[in-house]
Amino acid sequence: AQSVTQLDSHVSVSEGTPVLLRCNYSSSYSPSLFWYVQHPNKGLQLLLKYTSAATLVKGINGFEAEFKKSETSFHLTKPSAHMSDAAEYFCVVSPSYGQNFVFGPGTRLSVLP
Amino acid sequence: GAVVSQHPSWVICKSGTSVKIECRSLDFQATTMFWYRQFPKQSLMLMATSNEGSKATYEQGVEKDKFLINHASLTLSTLTVTSAHPEDSSFYICSARRQGDNQPQHFGDGTRLSIL
Repeated sequence: AQSVTQLDSHVSVSEGTPVLLRCNYSSSYSPSLFWYVQHPNKGLQLLLKYTSAATLVKGINGFEAEFKKSETSFHLTKPSAHMSDAAEYFCVVSPSYGQNFVFGPGTRLSVLP
Repeated sequence: GAVVSQHPSWVICKSGTSVKIECRSLDFQATTMFWYRQFPKQSLMLMATSNEGSKATYEQGVEKDKFLINHASLTLSTLTVTSAHPEDSSFYICSARRQGDNQPQHFGDGTRLSIL
């Protein structure tokens, strides 16, 4: 069975400082992992995905994530936060053979001026 | 790109009304579409998975007679909330996925449903 843990329900950073959103997963198979962002009253936008290629994945808007199998982690980072990054972020795991997603509970990112 | 259009974005209607929500993949063929429900400040809850041309697979606890799903073509799926009641008020989001392993889901912008 797959599961996803996002350790922080809320992260607050100042504009221009680094962002770290943590995600740990459990999976019986070699999973695919995704990060999505959701702005208020909007659907989800794909930031990046890991599908067993390079362990360091670069996404849109300056975000990147590193897959660490030994730590079962897929943390999302960005060197410098922008006000427009304030949103809800979801880490998602999917078994490589299947199609259903398992969503983490989400982390709300606040960016302070 | 992979654009998914969801319509309407916001619906307000009286109790007992049936409401249809459309989900379209605009620039790709979606062999599988998903319907989610999201409560305030919570993650997405999968309601059902539908493959084009076949019956939807509903998650445990989701009433199939209440939430009718049709996936008649590779670019369109509809969710009909029948005889809606205030407890059905929620944010409903669809997603669409191309055929093949490791394909991401592409999400619509969601529909805010308010039942008075």
